[in-house]
Amino acid sequence: EDKVVQSPLSLVVHEGDTVTLNCSYEVTNFRSLLWYKQEKKAPTFLFMLTSSGIEKKSGRLSSILDKKELFSILNITATQTGDSAVYLCAVEGYSGGGADGLTFGKGTHLIIQP
Amino acid sequence: KAGVTQTPRYLIKTRGQQVTLSCSPISGHRSVSWYQQTPGQGLQFLFEYFSETQRNKGNFPGRFSGRQFSNSRSEMNVSTLELGDSALYLCASSLEGPSGANVLTFGAGSRLTVL
Repeated sequence: EDKVVQSPLSLVVHEGDTVTLNCSYEVTNFRSLLWYKQEKKAPTFLFMLTSSGIEKKSGRLSSILDKKELFSILNITATQTGDSAVYLCAVEGYSGGGADGLTFGKGTHLIIQP
Repeated sequence: KAGVTQTPRYLIKTRGQQVTLSCSPISGHRSVSWYQQTPGQGLQFLFEYFSETQRNKGNFPGRFSGRQFSNSRSEMNVSTLELGDSALYLCASSLEGPSGANVLTFGAGSRLTVL
């Protein structure tokens, strides 16, 4: 059974700090790892990491994938109050029947204090 | 381009009743997936439909079912509701299915409360 563990489960920092969120996983036949940001409602897509794309960056956010050690990190630099959200990590594997549904971690609840 | 639309947004049911939730994917997206989100278990995969066929199913009892129509709209049904079915039900669509090459876009969810 696929498994995703995120740490820490919650984190409170001050505006301007840099944070690192962790995601370790076990998956049958890895296909991709995705990061989502969830505020009040729908999770919104941040990054997708695959065997051919193990580093992604967008503005103050960046993520890397270590396929050997089976983990990923999400970095946020110069945090702002608008970064406060739950950050979800998910992995996708595939089996004989094709791609499996995403397996999500419980998320990291990040709070940025002014 | 309109996003993923879910209806109803909120609903309250009592134990033993059944419920039907609806999802309209982004235009052109043929795959629709459903997830259940609870504080204790997080987001859990229910099932995925592609071209009106269930392509994948998670570990949920048979009380949870779904279908997809020819216009890619999808419905999920939960019968004989239990208190533990109280959750946010999220629908997500993608172009070809959760193949890793296509990202899921989520709707805002339907929040179900079972009393």
